[in-house]
This record gives sequence, C-alpha cells and structure tokens, in this order.
Amino acid sequence: DGGITQSPKYLFRKEGQNVTLSCEQNLNHDAMYWYRQDPGQGLRLIYYSQIVNDFQKGDIAEGYSVSREKKESFPLTVTSAQKNPTAFYLCASSLRTEGDTQYFGPGTRLTVL
Amino acid sequence: AQSVTQLDSQVPVFEEAPVELRCNYSSSVSVYLFWYVQYPNQGLQLLLKYLSGSTLVKGINGFEAEFNKSQTSFHLRKPSVHISDTAEYFCAVNAGNMLTFGGGTRLMVKP
Repeated sequence: DGGITQSPKYLFRKEGQNVTLSCEQNLNHDAMYWYRQDPGQGLRLIYYSQIVNDFQKGDIAEGYSVSREKKESFPLTVTSAQKNPTAFYLCASSLRTEGDTQYFGPGTRLTVL
Repeated sequence: AQSVTQLDSQVPVFEEAPVELRCNYSSSVSVYLFWYVQYPNQGLQLLLKYLSGSTLVKGINGFEAEFNKSQTSFHLRKPSVHISDTAEYFCAVNAGNMLTFGGGTRLMVKP
C-alpha cells in the first residue's frame, strides 16, 4: 500500500528533552511538509521541503528542526527551545508544491509532561 | 500572502438535512482551493479540490463545492448528511509554495 506513515502515534516526553517524530512516504513525492495542530485551530506550517537536502521554514519554525537526507523521509525534531510543544503533529507530501494535493499521515500526538 | 476564513466554528445539523460549510479566502494571485475532512485523532483526507474549469466541483462522500471568484468563496455543501459525516472540515488555499488552512468547522450530525 502506498501512503505516509508517522510514528509513534502517541509520544510522551519530559520537559527539556528533545524528541524526534518520524515521517516516511512511499508515494515518490518530491515535497514534504510538517504541520502543527492545536485544539480548535487550523494547521500551521512548521517546515517544508521541495527536494532532498533542501528545506524551508514555515510560519512557526522556532524551536523545531528538520532534515531531508532521503526522498522518503522527513523527520522533525522538537527541541527544548520550543516553549509549548504539546500538540498534534501532521506530516504531508505532494508531487510538487503549487496546486498539487497534499496527502497526510495519521499524525503524532506529542504530550510534554 | 493569502488567508482563509471559515465563518462557522461549529455547525450542528440533523441527520438527512442539507448542510453548507462556508469558506472565504483572500489572495492577490490566482489560487487553488481544497476541502479536507479530519476524523478524530486522524490525519486529513481530501474531499475535493478546485484547480480550474467548472466552478462546481464534486468530491467524495456526496460533497460538492462551488468556486465563486467575485465573492472569493468556496462553500462546501451536501444535500443530505449522515451521522458518519460528523468530523472537522478544513478549507485551504494554495498559491505559490504554501498551503494555508482555515481554522476548521466542526460538523455535528445529530440523529
């Protein structure tokens, strides 16, 4: 089956720890994205990547980092500098960026204790 | 820059009634428009999209939307809703490299 996988589905971490969220796709898409979703709010873009070894900051990149070493993978690290990291994190991918449908993974719910 | 406004944060409706979820956008350039649905604790699933051509777009699960350029709107409609349509619905606009989402509308279908 083609699609996007995110792991784990639920993640708990202590305050001050860095944590990395996994996102893998086998759709052969060039572009990948990370969004953050808070209760009652829409999605906000954290980072996106149009091609391997290249990525751009979105609207709320502070306290986050990414890498794009392989086409299939776009991991997101939530650092201790992120002041309010508890949220639902969604990864997406598309063939390119403008006009193409973004396909979403199932999400990771991060809770910082 | 573009922005998306979903005018209703919650829409309660009885089963088998029609529903309209409103979406207005602003952009200085031509846009592509999308509606996504999100069920609890899941990712987003595409309902339909408008790229060009006919302004009436049909999607999955019996939903449709109409692009109105003069009113900068892209409202989502369904003539008869089911309990299973209970979910969060997001309107989004794509111009350039960014997809901008509205705040979402929670559709609550009651028996």
